[in-house]
Amino acid sequence: AQKVTQAQTEISVVEKEDVTLDCVYETRDTTYYLFWYKQPPSGELVFLIRRNSFDEQNEISGRYSWNFQKSTSSFNFTITASQVVDSAVYFCALSGTHSGGGADGLTFGKGTHLIIQP
Amino acid sequence: DTAVSQTPKYLVTQMGNDKSIKCEQNLGHDTMYWYKQDSKKFLKIMFSYNNKELIINETVPNRFSPKSPDKAHLNLHINSLELGDSAVYFCASSRLTANYEQYFGPGTRLTVT
Repeated sequence: AQKVTQAQTEISVVEKEDVTLDCVYETRDTTYYLFWYKQPPSGELVFLIRRNSFDEQNEISGRYSWNFQKSTSSFNFTITASQVVDSAVYFCALSGTHSGGGADGLTFGKGTHLIIQP
Repeated sequence: DTAVSQTPKYLVTQMGNDKSIKCEQNLGHDTMYWYKQDSKKFLKIMFSYNNKELIINETVPNRFSPKSPDKAHLNLHINSLELGDSAVYFCASSRLTANYEQYFGPGTRLTVT
């Protein structure tokens, strides 16, 4: 069975600090996809990034960066120079092809509540 | 131009009632999903449909019945509502399979009293 662990339940930092959200996953699939979603206080779920298991290149998008390490089954997310608007719950998620490539849902971690204090 | 829409946004009802939540997507996606987010924010897949065909039914009580009249719509009907059904229900859609990014609706907050 697949599993996603986000060990940090809540992180609180002061604005402009850098912060890293950890994500560790378990899967028996050789092909799988990893995702990060943001859920701000307004409640919607916002897609941030998708990464496939064959692409270990790190990605940077503005102040956001992602570090994928297959050797440690981790897909960590760093926010540089955090801002109050980054305050949200962040979810790491995993999909796979274990059921024959059908429309599998995502397996979500329990989320990390990030609080950016002004 | 909402990509994935759900109605209603809030639903308050009494135990034992039957209710429906509607979902529509205008992204041209083939696959739609229902997720449940509990009071601790944990998100769990309930159902997925691909081209109107049920693909996943994840140990959900049979009081929950999804219906997909066409590729753009996936409705969720719940019979005999129980207190434990109180949650936020999210509809989502993606191209082809869950290996592609899913786009979520705004959620429906269901409160059963």
